[in-house]
Amino acid sequence: GAVVSQHPSRVICKSGTSVKIECRSLDFQATTMFWYRQFPKKSLMLMATSNEGSKATYEQGVEKDKFLINHASLTLSTLTVTSAHPEDSSFYICSATRDAASYEQYFGPGTRLTVT
Amino acid sequence: DQQVKQNSPSLSVQEGRISILNCDYTNSMFDYFLWYKKYPAEGPTFLISISSIKDKNEDGRFTVFLNKSAKHLSLHIVPSQPGDSAVYFCAASREGTYKYIFGTGTRLKVLA
Repeated sequence: GAVVSQHPSRVICKSGTSVKIECRSLDFQATTMFWYRQFPKKSLMLMATSNEGSKATYEQGVEKDKFLINHASLTLSTLTVTSAHPEDSSFYICSATRDAASYEQYFGPGTRLTVT
Repeated sequence: DQQVKQNSPSLSVQEGRISILNCDYTNSMFDYFLWYKKYPAEGPTFLISISSIKDKNEDGRFTVFLNKSAKHLSLHIVPSQPGDSAVYFCAASREGTYKYIFGTGTRLKVLA
């Protein structure tokens, strides 16, 4: 199988601070990783696509300066929520693909962010 | 603009019966469709997929049907089991990209 992990699984932070979420592919090299956000009782909304060694591609309406994505290696991508506010509280999920031609994405378990 | 829609937010089915989850899409460029299952506070897990060149794909108790003319797909689970209780998302992908557009999900509850 293909395992994707996320750390932390849940985090509570104060308004104005920054939070980093890690996404790792444990047993495969991920050419592409995706970051999603899920609001309660809503769909998973794609935030950005990141390829190793290049800048992330953000979806319309997602603030690049607020949600910093770094894909430093083929097994690690990070999402940093900068100057977090309560409205950033959400469930953040990453996924990874094995190769660029693969439709199948393997999802991490998600990170619950609560901003107080 | 919700390009992938799951109009039933919830569904209850008796154990052993068939569960049918529906999904509609608006973009004719979508050429690959997937169903994911999600438990609370966990990431989605892949169930089954279908490409636009097929109209049916079967994997054990799970069958996905695709009606391209109606822009509609459905997931059939037979027989339904209590462990199938979860939120089911359909997702669509456009030709030339590997990004998913997810539906809003249907919460399935299988009653023992």
